Amino acid sequence: DAMVIQNPRYQVTQFGKPVTLSCSQTLNHNVMYWYQQKSSQAPKLLFHYYDKDFNNEADTPDNFQSRRPNTSFCFLDIRSPGLGDAAMYLCATSRARGGWSNQPQHFGDGTRLSIL
Amino acid sequence: AQKITQTQPGMFVQEKEAVTLDCTYDTSDPSYGLFWYKQPSSGEMIFLIYQGSYDQQNATEGRYSLNFQKARKSANLVISASQLGDSAMYFCAMREGGSEKLVFGKGTKLTVNP
Repeated sequence: DAMVIQNPRYQVTQFGKPVTLSCSQTLNHNVMYWYQQKSSQAPKLLFHYYDKDFNNEADTPDNFQSRRPNTSFCFLDIRSPGLGDAAMYLCATSRARGGWSNQPQHFGDGTRLSIL
Repeated sequence: AQKITQTQPGMFVQEKEAVTLDCTYDTSDPSYGLFWYKQPSSGEMIFLIYQGSYDQQNATEGRYSLNFQKARKSANLVISASQLGDSAMYFCAMREGGSEKLVFGKGTKLTVNP
């Protein structure tokens, strides 16, 4: 089945040690998103790619970076994780139709990040 | 200003009964879409149902239906014949025309009791 795959499902890293989360998709969608979700809160959009165009949210810390080497893959890099970065990270994709709002976002299962 | 409001932090329902989860929204864009997602404790976000601002009829998908009242700017999710597996967080979200971004509400935690 076509889907959004996130690896790993659980990630443990040390305070200040860089970590990379990965996301791949077989839906051939041109938009990919990264969300941070803390316990009992709504997902918070960090940034998204529209094709190769990177769109950062104004309140996303500089500590968070992203790469999209091709249509299928997108990575979230946290350069120096702090304790406050422990969260679920969700990747999503969408087919952009420019002006049409009816395309849902399809989410992966998420990566739960813990900081020691 | 909050664009999506879910006023029920938690809801309880007996198995096999129907339940309504509330969602109100705020936008000045005439073109928008409203989405409901389910998030079980395992964490994945599952798309349930969509309602477009120009749709004349309320959306339905199996046991899920959307009570769309455009003038009141509400898009309540109705789950019929609740099942134990329906216990989860439910998020209402909106996408405005021309935007690639979803705006989420704070969610409602639904618990289905046997």
